[in-house]
Amino acid sequence: AQSVTQPDIHITVSEGASLELRCNYSYGATPYLFWYVQSPGQGLQLLLKYFSGDTLVQGIKGFEAEFKRSQSSFNLRKPSVHWSDAAEYFCAVGPRRTTSYDKVIFGPGTSLSVIP
Amino acid sequence: GAVVSQHPSRVICKSGTSVKIECRSLDFQATTMFWYRQFPKQSLMLMATSNEGSKATYEQGVEKDKFLINHASLTLSTLTVTSAHPEDSSFYICSARDIAGALPKEQFFGPGTRLTVL
Repeated sequence: AQSVTQPDIHITVSEGASLELRCNYSYGATPYLFWYVQSPGQGLQLLLKYFSGDTLVQGIKGFEAEFKRSQSSFNLRKPSVHWSDAAEYFCAVGPRRTTSYDKVIFGPGTSLSVIP
Repeated sequence: GAVVSQHPSRVICKSGTSVKIECRSLDFQATTMFWYRQFPKQSLMLMATSNEGSKATYEQGVEKDKFLINHASLTLSTLTVTSAHPEDSSFYICSARDIAGALPKEQFFGPGTRLTVL
């Protein structure tokens, strides 16, 4: 079965500290991978995505993610967290071959709190 | 980048009434649109996949007569919550897939609609 797991429901870090949010997936083949961020009451904003090529992907707001095929993981990192990074983060996977019925599967999300 | 809008952003209605939510792709054409539901502190749950000019495909457990989806054009899909009840209160998010460009086709998300049923 296709699934996405984010082992950490909630993480608290101090401002300026480094951050790593974990994501593991179960999929029939290597999927198309995403990280989204959602502020309270808002829609989703795409942070970064991976389809192919360099397994270290750079995104917006200083975030990066590394795809590790052997571990079926796509962990999100940021070297120095800012207070404005406090939000909900969702890892998602989608099929590489797109048909009308293909869909993106979301993980349960990780809530990030930042201590000033 | 591609922009998806939703209207209204917030709606409050009485129990038993119907509510229509619009999802528009503003600067691209979308053959496929997706409707998600999100409860507080939870992830997005796909409700249905809407294809332009054809019937929507609903996920297991989603009542198609309760949540009517119409995808009449390449830029507009609507979700109508019929005979709404308090348990239908939720955050509804749509997404649209651009049909142009190379594979894979990325989904772009709308800002969401907060539905409160009294």
